[in-house]
Amino acid sequence: GAGVSQSPSNKVTEKGKDVELRCDPISGHTALYWYRQSLGQGLEFLIYFQGNSAPDKSGLPSDRFSAERTGGSVSTLTIQRTQQEDSAVYLCASSLVKASGIGEQFFGPGTRLTVL
Amino acid sequence: QKEVEQNSGPLSVPEGAIASLNCTYSDRGSQSFFWYRQYSGKSPELIMFIYSNGDKEDGRFTAQLNKASQYVSLLIRDSQPSDSATYLCAVKGFNFNKFYFGSGTKLNVKP
Repeated sequence: GAGVSQSPSNKVTEKGKDVELRCDPISGHTALYWYRQSLGQGLEFLIYFQGNSAPDKSGLPSDRFSAERTGGSVSTLTIQRTQQEDSAVYLCASSLVKASGIGEQFFGPGTRLTVL
Repeated sequence: QKEVEQNSGPLSVPEGAIASLNCTYSDRGSQSFFWYRQYSGKSPELIMFIYSNGDKEDGRFTAQLNKASQYVSLLIRDSQPSDSATYLCAVKGFNFNKFYFGSGTKLNVKP
């Protein structure tokens, strides 16, 4: 079956421009996560969506970052007025929330963002 | 204090040996524990998950969980050069669906 897909795979932008990153989760997965990974670093949690509940935005680093999830499926992460420190790989993951509570995450291939 | 701690490594083992990767976590209410493998330039790939105390085996991989000690480990038997990667430990915390990741341990398996 289809896994998590992300687009674009690579994005090069100029400082100050806005960018939109897209994530298409595995069909039927109700939970969707965005992470950021800088070179050689671990995963930094950004935001998480679960069904129709309000998203957990506690990891967004500044108000330049926002995300939405339309129709409980596709999600878009928007970064406004990009800065060079925003350069990283942005990873999306989805999981199926089960009654047992065990919902392993599956990751997309990531979007590599480079801000010049 | 970080939620999930891992030794960054690198951990070097010879081919055929057992590699032991360790992870500690701070939230006693954590429910589920995951190991991911990440090759350089690739996204994390789920290897195993465990939620009960004890051992869980899958092929060459064994996950071990000790909730009393807040410790989870991954053993890789008969290590192969293709196992060389960064291994990420993830814990599903008290907030039911939020995952906390360690910074990863880099494993080098030498031929």
